[in-house]
Amino acid sequence: DADVTQTPRNRITKTGKRIMLECSQTKGHDRMYWYRQDPGLGLQLIYYSFDVKDINKGEISDGYSVSRQAQAKFSLSLESAIPNQTALYFCATSDLRWTSHEQYFGPGTRLTVT
Amino acid sequence: RKEVEQDPGPFNVPEGATVAFNCTYSNSASQSFFWYRQDCRKEPKLLMSVYSSGNEDGRFTAQLNRASQYISLLIRDSKLSDSATYLCVMNNAGNMLTFGGGTRLMVKP
Repeated sequence: DADVTQTPRNRITKTGKRIMLECSQTKGHDRMYWYRQDPGLGLQLIYYSFDVKDINKGEISDGYSVSRQAQAKFSLSLESAIPNQTALYFCATSDLRWTSHEQYFGPGTRLTVT
Repeated sequence: RKEVEQDPGPFNVPEGATVAFNCTYSNSASQSFFWYRQDCRKEPKLLMSVYSSGNEDGRFTAQLNRASQYISLLIRDSKLSDSATYLCVMNNAGNMLTFGGGTRLMVKP
């Protein structure tokens, strides 16, 4: 079974709709992240959470919100989707106890806003 | 200027070739560096960390040059399975990663 899962894997929605992307992990990591990736661009950080009570904005948080429901769950919401939010969204986790700072990514959610 | 810059490629090389990618970074305070590999439409995965002394893992060698603020990845004896996008990544503080746009490698038979 995958350590980091994302649902849905693909989603097409219309402008103005609210949509939630969900992420779950079984790695026991405290830290979770949401990124978006656009063609030819690197991953851009939307929000991150270092524990259940800690939520922080990343570099492109406008138009997004998050909820850390439990250590293992971190969801991303688009309050009113717009076409330029069409992208590939990745959830990731990490454990600061390990000096490698490696992040483990989910399989991604491909979101299309029409 | 982007914090991490990479040549997007693609680099088209024949099997067995040696290929090298460079990546430059602008933040001299950057602490740790990594190469991640991303297959088409898949999630990124850590390929290797980059140390000041350089490090090698099989056919892959990574180097860090702090004075010139660049890191490199050398792949020897390229395989078809090496075809992917290679992401240059740095860690500035805590566990926050900054990603480059990636360099696409295509290894041809």
